[in-house]
Amino acid sequence: GENVEQHPSTLSVQEGDSAVIKCTYSDSASNYFPWYKQELGKRPQLIIDIRSNVGEKKDQRIAVTLNKTAKHFSLHITETQPEDSAVYFCAALTPGGSNYKLTFGKGTLLTVNP
Amino acid sequence: DAEITQSPRHKITETGRQVTLACHQTWNHNNMFWYRQDLGHGLRLIHYSYGVQDTNKGEVSDGYSVSRSNTEDLPLTLESAASSQTSVYFCASSSRATRGTQYFGPGTRLLVL
Repeated sequence: GENVEQHPSTLSVQEGDSAVIKCTYSDSASNYFPWYKQELGKRPQLIIDIRSNVGEKKDQRIAVTLNKTAKHFSLHITETQPEDSAVYFCAALTPGGSNYKLTFGKGTLLTVNP
Repeated sequence: DAEITQSPRHKITETGRQVTLACHQTWNHNNMFWYRQDLGHGLRLIHYSYGVQDTNKGEVSDGYSVSRSNTEDLPLTLESAASSQTSVYFCASSSRATRGTQYFGPGTRLLVL
């Protein structure tokens, strides 16, 4: 089955710096890659996603890149703010007819220091 | 507004007791999922359902069961609670069209003593 590795497990940056979180996946059939943000004590929420036919997607201060050949994708946050502090999860969707599977990475705890 | 809710939000139980966690969504989504979240393990899939009367085992299904009798609800039952099942449990749902976009409930914090 699909395996998603996420690095680093913790990341600490100064406010205003950039943060990059990287994920690799194993199944070349995976075709959709969402990122979820989970603030302390809250539920995970989708913040950005990318499909396999796209190399990069941006939404204000966040962007996601995908390298299908290398089977890795990354989340980039620019001009970080304290409210970006959270756990971030990457995921990969592997199609299988009606039996698709969304596999999550183990998460990255991002701390933005004021 | 459509939403997904879980109850109870907090639960303390004793080893060996049967516990049922409720999940209710008003998105009219076909797909529903149960995850547990533990430090260092991220989100691990327990059971999932792609429609009424359909249920499937996830990676950590031992000791858990689900049933899907309607579109809105997917209750999770711990047959005989164990201390290893102390965790935060999240229910999620997604539509058939946007399978990878899952909407999560607020979570249930379960403590098994």
